[in-house]
Amino acid sequence: DTAVSQTPKYLVTQMGNDKSIKCEQNLGHDTMYWYKQDSKKFLKIMFSYNNKELIINETVPNRFSPKSPDKAHLNLHINSLELGDSAVYFCASSQGEAETQYFGPGTRLLVL
Amino acid sequence: AQSVTQPDIHITVSEGASLELRCNYSYGATPYLFWYVQSPGQGLQLLLKYFSGDTLVQGIKGFEAEFKRSQSSFNLRKPSVHWSDAAEYFCAVGDNDYKLSFGAGTTVTVRA
Repeated sequence: DTAVSQTPKYLVTQMGNDKSIKCEQNLGHDTMYWYKQDSKKFLKIMFSYNNKELIINETVPNRFSPKSPDKAHLNLHINSLELGDSAVYFCASSQGEAETQYFGPGTRLLVL
Repeated sequence: AQSVTQPDIHITVSEGASLELRCNYSYGATPYLFWYVQSPGQGLQLLLKYFSGDTLVQGIKGFEAEFKRSQSSFNLRKPSVHWSDAAEYFCAVGDNDYKLSFGAGTTVTVRA
């Protein structure tokens, strides 16, 4: 009964391809997030959705498009993948603002 | 905007010895502070958090942290480390707008 799950766990693809990463949480939280962890392990928030509404959109290329079909899901679609997109992408969820965020296991994306 | 500094990139400690990881934050108001641990190839697990109240907080796995407003610090401690404590440790500060800002992380190596 994983709290925050992500699929796939690993993703290897060619430059220029389009790919999606899925995230689901069964904690009943109303807020979900996407973070990017680079090769130096630095974690930076990309997006946040609260009740399916976008509330945080950091400086991220518009090739990245989050989609939240419902409160329990937040997917990340990436168009025209570039080498620099290689990273670990973490999904997280929380019950509202200023509350503890619970992280998924991460999706390791490698763009060749 | 809030920020977090973890001055130590890498710490090596002997099994059974004590451990202290430093964290300094910059935030105008009362911060929400967190410590997360990331084992190799894994996601982030919450160790402990400070929202308000007692400045010494206890977490899982025998960890504790002390909030010192005068020093803008939230250092993590463990009296006796185990080999399984080898991991990456992240300090984070949250605000009232859902955003969580992470430090660069400290890698802990435990030697036998």
